[in-house]
Amino acid sequence: EVQLVESGGGLVKPGGSLRLSCAASGFTFSSYSMNWVRQAPGKGLEWVSSISSSSSYIYYADSVKGRFTISRDNAKNSLYLQMNSLRAEDTAVYYCARGNSSSWYLFDIWGQGTMVTVSS
Amino acid sequence: EIVLTQSPGTLSLSPGERATLSCRASQSVSSSYLAWYQQKPGQAPRLLIYGASSRATGIPDRFSGSGSGTDFTLTISRLEPEDFAVYYCQQYGRAFGQGTKVEIK
Repeated sequence: EVQLVESGGGLVKPGGSLRLSCAASGFTFSSYSMNWVRQAPGKGLEWVSSISSSSSYIYYADSVKGRFTISRDNAKNSLYLQMNSLRAEDTAVYYCARGNSSSWYLFDIWGQGTMVTVSS
Repeated sequence: EIVLTQSPGTLSLSPGERATLSCRASQSVSSSYLAWYQQKPGQAPRLLIYGASSRATGIPDRFSGSGSGTDFTLTISRLEPEDFAVYYCQQYGRAFGQGTKVEIK
């Protein structure tokens, strides 16, 4: 079964850091681009970051550029999001999502999400 | 940057009725790069439609997508109880619409 499972969410103070992980299974992880998408409570979807299959290309939303770092370990079938200098507006459910083989930004498989709460 | 505007914000319908959801782009979008997702409460989004009109794997044929240029439509021909959810359109260049909630009337 194709599956993505996020972990690492939690409560953190403003200015703090958190590292999210996404474990992939059921497909050849190293062949696909991967993404992080977030959803603030009661709000819509916001693309956060993308990484190519070999990590050669990386992109960020302006809202997180300079604070978040996406990475992957193809040997471990894992995707990561290092989040620094967290703000209240970063509070959201963070989903990892697989980029379709025909287009990076067509998200064909999603994890169940992990909640990040930034609050003092 | 392309902005996607979905309408209506909420659609109140009964099971068995037809649902028509709209997604309008601020500038022309290649129909090859327009997708629709369904999200139920407490769940992750699920890909429904890609390339404006192609159904993703396992999606029932009561779901159909159409449109080109700046105007796109998701149609659910006969609503089933499990179809009541929020629907998002997406232009592959990272932008999502704000969502349309389909609720039971």
